[in-house]
Amino acid sequence: AQKITQTQPGMFVQEKEAVTLDCTYDTSDPSYGLFWYKQPSSGEMIFLIYQGSYDQQNATEGRYSLNFQKARKSANLVISASQLGDSAMYFCAMREEHQGGKLIFGQGTELSVKP
Amino acid sequence: GAVVSQHPSRVICKSGTSVKIECRSLDFQATTMFWYRQFPKQSLMLMATSNEGSKATYEQGVEKDKFLINHASLTLSTLTVTSAHPEDSSFYICSARDLENVQFFGPGTRLTVL
Repeated sequence: AQKITQTQPGMFVQEKEAVTLDCTYDTSDPSYGLFWYKQPSSGEMIFLIYQGSYDQQNATEGRYSLNFQKARKSANLVISASQLGDSAMYFCAMREEHQGGKLIFGQGTELSVKP
Repeated sequence: GAVVSQHPSRVICKSGTSVKIECRSLDFQATTMFWYRQFPKQSLMLMATSNEGSKATYEQGVEKDKFLINHASLTLSTLTVTSAHPEDSSFYICSARDLENVQFFGPGTRLTVL
């Protein structure tokens, strides 16, 4: 079974608008972490935001916020005020504490920001 | 933030040759490093977990004799693709975990096997 699912292969958003990228996960480990990474065409993986399973509040980092709904096992990324430089692949990832700390990635969403 | 380097960034080789890719943590010690492979327009697939001073743990379906991993020091892990074939052409990315359990990614190595 897929542990991390991103159902949107591609998304378009108008510059300056907000966009939500979906991510659902599946785990029986009570302790886990959820991550979002941005991968531009250069290939580097840029860390954006982290949410721990025990965190009470949704994580925020500048224009990025994570909409964490634990009961639904979803961890959607919200990008506010989109910029042209936000165009890239976005990956959701999960780390389960009892699985050696390895990151498992979703399929990715390609975001295109229109001017 | 912490920096992880990979060398080379690009490599082109002939079928049947072996290629070594280095992953270094530049300003921190990494007891654990991870190796991923990414095909075009696809996700990162974990190949193996590399622990300093011990054998690597390979994911299911990854041939350990094909992809040799050596983690000889706290700052260096190497991945050797032995007898490379065109189907091994891919983007290989390493990551290193620091003592606070934060994982940092290298810039990746693009391997093309002719």
